[in-house]
Amino acid sequence: EPEVTQTPSHQVTQMGQEVILHCVPISNHLYFYWYRQILGQKVEFLVSFYNNEISEKSEIFDDQFSVERPDGSNFTLKIRSTKLEDSAMYFCASSAQGETQYFGPGTRLLVL
Amino acid sequence: AQRVTQPEKLLSVFKGAPVELKCNYSYSGSPELFWYVQYSRQRLQLLLRHISRESIKGFTADLNKGETSFHLKKPFAQEEDSAMYYCALKGRPSNTGKLIFGQGTTLQVKP
Repeated sequence: EPEVTQTPSHQVTQMGQEVILHCVPISNHLYFYWYRQILGQKVEFLVSFYNNEISEKSEIFDDQFSVERPDGSNFTLKIRSTKLEDSAMYFCASSAQGETQYFGPGTRLLVL
Repeated sequence: AQRVTQPEKLLSVFKGAPVELKCNYSYSGSPELFWYVQYSRQRLQLLLRHISRESIKGFTADLNKGETSFHLKKPFAQEEDSAMYYCALKGRPSNTGKLIFGQGTTLQVKP
């Protein structure tokens, strides 16, 4: 059964550094999402992406964040200048038609 | 406002006991609701969607619009049901499909 994959599983970075989180959605899916979960808090929506553009973004997704689908398979989340409060688990998800979302295993980001 | 509330952080039951995980939502219009489960060290997995009205692993959930609830139930809990359970609402605009999650409830099934 196809699955969403994410790399790396863990990332440690220094405050102010750029990080790129990688996701490979399920191959025939058209809708892509990023969510994050700060330790002890709920899973929060960051951004949705369809037809090569952002379809919706949350208040969290400010100018420090960007997403890209550089080729036919990858979907990346970039944080330009990380802050301590960016430490969280980041989940990628994809969906065929915008109904059921399938989640990746997550990348745990720690900003020191 | 669009919101999902799961009032219990932890629910602990004995094997064989009935389980009800509570979920309340706030949404104007017809909601689309989901239950996701996360077993230890695994990814979030869809457990069920209200529109499919199916039973997965013995779990069911009924949408009650009057009480704005979507509680998850199972008549006899098994130890392998121990996991984190998240209720989620498909938020507006619904065509983007973003999910609004509750805080999650940890279900602990004791032998």
